[in-house]
Amino acid sequence: NAGVTQTPKFRVLKTGQSMTLLCAQDMNHEYMYWYRQDPGMGLRLIHYSVGEGTTAKGEVPDGYNVSRLKKQNFLLGLESAAPSQTSVYFCASSFDRSYGYTFGSGTRLTVV
Amino acid sequence: EDKVVQSPLSLVVHEGDTVTLNCSYEVTNFRSLLWYKQEKKAPTFLFMLTSSGIEKKSGRLSSILDKKELFSILNITATQTGDSAVYLCAVELQTGANNLFFGTGTRLTVIP
Repeated sequence: NAGVTQTPKFRVLKTGQSMTLLCAQDMNHEYMYWYRQDPGMGLRLIHYSVGEGTTAKGEVPDGYNVSRLKKQNFLLGLESAAPSQTSVYFCASSFDRSYGYTFGSGTRLTVV
Repeated sequence: EDKVVQSPLSLVVHEGDTVTLNCSYEVTNFRSLLWYKQEKKAPTFLFMLTSSGIEKKSGRLSSILDKKELFSILNITATQTGDSAVYLCAVELQTGANNLFFGTGTRLTVIP
């Protein structure tokens, strides 16, 4: 049972490049989330999904897009990377609002 | 503006000491408060608190919520080096935006 798996684990991008981060969960969770974690800022919600085919904006959505075409996958896209998007990105999922979230191990992204 | 404040920012103790970590919050539509432990990578779930005055306990860790004074504490007794981590407090809102607001965390270092 893998839980929440994020790929890739590390990535270095040049300014202006695009990329997609993949989050996969095998727990049949309805809810999935993308967070970023920056020093001194805590975890901040980028986008989330309450079910297959749905997405919604979180606290810091600008510069990111997401898709949830399959229940088990939640994709985070950066269309034109900027140095301000250098961060550690965490995906999380939950069965419903009564349960604690399960986090993936994170993706460390550096934009130069 | 919703906010979650943790204190202290960092703490260094010796093995065997007891520590208390604090989390205060100011949010609209409070639903629950969660504690997570973050070592090198993914935050791992510790407790979810929804009712005032009811202590949640797991081994040497315990937590309690005060919804009148808007704070929670996390206690760790007989600390061990394996307790060294960043402890995150998060508040979940009642509204349709299904997400957590995180504090910046308390970094605990336990010295042998």
